[in-house]
Amino acid sequence: EAGVAQSPRYKIIEKRQSVAFWCNPISGHATLYWYQQILGQGPKLLIQFQNNGVVDDSQLPKDRFSAERLKGVDSTLKIQPAKLEDSAVYLCASSPGTGNEQYFGPGTRLTVT
Amino acid sequence: AQSVSQHNHHVILSEAASLELGCNYSYGGTVNLFWYVQYPGQHLQLLLKYFSGDPLVKGIKGFEAEFIKSKFSFNLRKPSVQWSDTAEYFCAVTLTTGRRALTFGSGTRLQVQP
Repeated sequence: EAGVAQSPRYKIIEKRQSVAFWCNPISGHATLYWYQQILGQGPKLLIQFQNNGVVDDSQLPKDRFSAERLKGVDSTLKIQPAKLEDSAVYLCASSPGTGNEQYFGPGTRLTVT
Repeated sequence: AQSVSQHNHHVILSEAASLELGCNYSYGGTVNLFWYVQYPGQHLQLLLKYFSGDPLVKGIKGFEAEFIKSKFSFNLRKPSVQWSDTAEYFCAVTLTTGRRALTFGSGTRLQVQP
């Protein structure tokens, strides 16, 4: 079974630029999560999708972050404009439904200079 | 708001030593509990989980954890660590109803010396 795929693996941008990350969950997984992991901290939820609907985006900085999950499969997370404090690893995870074990992708390491 | 505390940020052990990593959570309702591991250069993987039933759960690679509801704790243990256990370990919690996203602790970096 293929795992959660993410791209790119690494990205370096200057502040005020925009960036987008892509996630392809495990086939058939209805629930998709985006987490932000700042160095030295545990992952923190940004947004949770159930199929193509948003379940929880209470911790997403909506003035600069946006995410979508068209057709209930792939998802993209965008930051515009980026700030220095957005430097982190962005993790995508999926699960068959809410309350199940989550499977994580390798993450995208973002450096904002 | 819910929170998860991991008391040990960095642990150094010699091979064959016993391991116990602490995890306490602050939650108002019934919870599901997880330990995830991240080996160097790899992505987060599930080590073990507790949903209900026997509070002593066994996971992969000889790890186990005990859920003590009265102490809001879910400590991870292994009787004899190996060099290959060098990794970062994260405790995580979800509620059993409503929002199901994981709330993670800050992680414990385990270094096992040969």
